[in-house]
Amino acid sequence: DVKVTQSSRYLVKRTGEKVFLECVQDMDHENMFWYRQDPGLGLRLIYFSYDVKMKEKGDIPEGYSVSREKKERFSLILESASTNQTSMYLCASSPPAGGPYRTGELFFGEGSRLTVL
Amino acid sequence: DQQVKQNSPSLSVQEGRISILNCDYTNSMFDYFLWYKKYPAEGPTFLISISSIKDKNEDGRFTVFLNKSAKHLSLHIVPSQPGDSAVYFCAASFQGGSEKLVFGKGTKLTVNP
Repeated sequence: DVKVTQSSRYLVKRTGEKVFLECVQDMDHENMFWYRQDPGLGLRLIYFSYDVKMKEKGDIPEGYSVSREKKERFSLILESASTNQTSMYLCASSPPAGGPYRTGELFFGEGSRLTVL
Repeated sequence: DQQVKQNSPSLSVQEGRISILNCDYTNSMFDYFLWYKKYPAEGPTFLISISSIKDKNEDGRFTVFLNKSAKHLSLHIVPSQPGDSAVYFCAASFQGGSEKLVFGKGTKLTVNP
């Protein structure tokens, strides 16, 4: 089974703090993603990475950065947390198209609920 | 501008009946569509998908229908079970790849016993 593990299920941080959200996948997937989920807004893509040290902005990258130094690990960084970044953060990975997995299938972690006070 | 729309935030059905969840899209370049299911405090899990070259895909109790001319897809669950109660997200992508999946806002399905 594919496993995507997010390091923290629940975090509480103060405004201005630097926040690291870590994600590790164990299936040697090339693609990794960070989404946030907010009520009434669905899932919105923050950043994604299709290879080590490669990254691309998603739809809402402002206030975030990412790091992918190893294939299995993708980190989301909030340089200076703000209250509007209170959200559920979801990491996902996917293999390249083809192979045994249905095209486009993302494997999600359980999520990290971040509260910024 | 929202490219994938789920206009019903919630849906309530009785156990054993059919659940129909709807999704509309605006971008005709989308060629692959997926449905994800999400329980509270868990990550979304893949449910079913359909390529734009098909108009129907079935997997057990779940069937997805695609109407390209109307830019509309729907997920049918028959028969509905209480364990199906979850938020369902419709998603779309280009060229069959998972890069930049575009998600709808989700529909919360409640199946009453």
